[in-house]
Parts: sequence; structure tokens; C-alpha cells
Amino acid sequence: TQLLEQSPQFLSIQEGENLTVYCNSSSVFSSLQWYRQEPGEGPVLLVTVVTGGEVKKLKRLTFQFGDARKDSSLHITAAQPGDTGLYLCAGLQTGANNLFFGTGTRLTVIP
Amino acid sequence: NAGVTQTPKFRVLKTGQSMTLLCAQDMNHEYMYWYRQDPGMGLRLIHYSVGEGTTAKGEVPDGYNVSRLKKQNFLLGLESAAPSQTSVYFCASSQSRVLEQFFGPGTRLTVL
Repeated sequence: TQLLEQSPQFLSIQEGENLTVYCNSSSVFSSLQWYRQEPGEGPVLLVTVVTGGEVKKLKRLTFQFGDARKDSSLHITAAQPGDTGLYLCAGLQTGANNLFFGTGTRLTVIP
Repeated sequence: NAGVTQTPKFRVLKTGQSMTLLCAQDMNHEYMYWYRQDPGMGLRLIHYSVGEGTTAKGEVPDGYNVSRLKKQNFLLGLESAAPSQTSVYFCASSQSRVLEQFFGPGTRLTVL
């Protein structure tokens, strides 16, 4: 079983639509990161959230860390084809040296 | 400034063969990681290092060995490849455990 479960696994939407991706766990994390990965490349960091209830905005992307620091969400407003990619959440547990990555959400935005 | 580089980019092995994947970073990062990525599984940590001369096991270490003789290099070895090791392998580095990880472009390995 994965420590972090993401949903949905696949998402295909039309340009201009809104969407939300979820990252859930039964474990508590001291911080959580979101990465985006494009085909043939490694993941690239989008944002880090560290405080329960924290909301961070990055242009059309809004990230939220759950109050209990067990879950997170990524909301994209007015999706564009350039948002297409694999979105990965990754959590760091207190005292751990490594991140645990989620199962990933593959997003396709159709022009 | 190349960031994180990986060699080779592609490799095909027969069952039982051995090989070494090389990861190099030029950012003077302390932490380095090896992951494998399989469909529907996200990234799973194989081994990691918190500094030159140190290594530690991750989530899926069986069948792999690593070495970090120089701070900038992290080697991943497969002594006797198995078809279950067919995957895309990513190396990453970071300055500390809480900061951003920088990833290489990946190595696609097929074991026949």
C-alpha cells in the first residue's frame, strides 16, 4: 500500500475547465511538496506547504494543506494545454530523511 | 551549470547481467536519492545518501546497491538484473531533507 494516495489517477478535461487533484494519507506530514513531471523529464517542484490549513497560490494553481497535515489538494483554474503532465505530491514525515511520493495524477488538457 | 545528470539514458539488459547507473550533480548538494518510477506507482525510493561516504535503504532496496565515494556522484548498481527491475530510474539531489529535490532526466531500463 502507498503512504500517499492521489485521486483521480487520470484526468482529461477541455481547455478552460477547472479541476481539483487530491492527495490523501492516514499519516501526518511535517511538510508536503507538489511536483509536475512532463514526458521524458524528471519532476520539477511547484510548491511546498508546511503549515496545517495553509493555502498557496501560484498563478492559476491553488495548493492547500489540510488542517491535520494528512492531506492536500491542488486546484487549477481555467486549465490550459501547458498544464498537461503528471502531478505528484510528496510528503516529509517528522525526523525522516526522505520524501514519500504519491501515486500521481496524469492530467491531459485538450485544446 | 548542468544540475543533475544521469548516464546512460537508455539501456537494455538480459536477465542476470549487471550494470551501473551514474548520477552526477554540480550543486554541491549533501543529499542524493535514487528512485524508480512504474506506472500507477509514483516514485519509490530505492536508496539514498545524506553525505559523502554514507548510504541508506529506501522503500524498495532489494536487488540494488549504491555507493557515494565522491560528494557529486551517486552510483546505482544492479548485480543480477531481473525483469521486475524494468523501470525508469531517476536520481535527485537536495541541499537538505526539507528542501526541494532536483531531478535528473531519467534512465529507461529494460530487462529481457
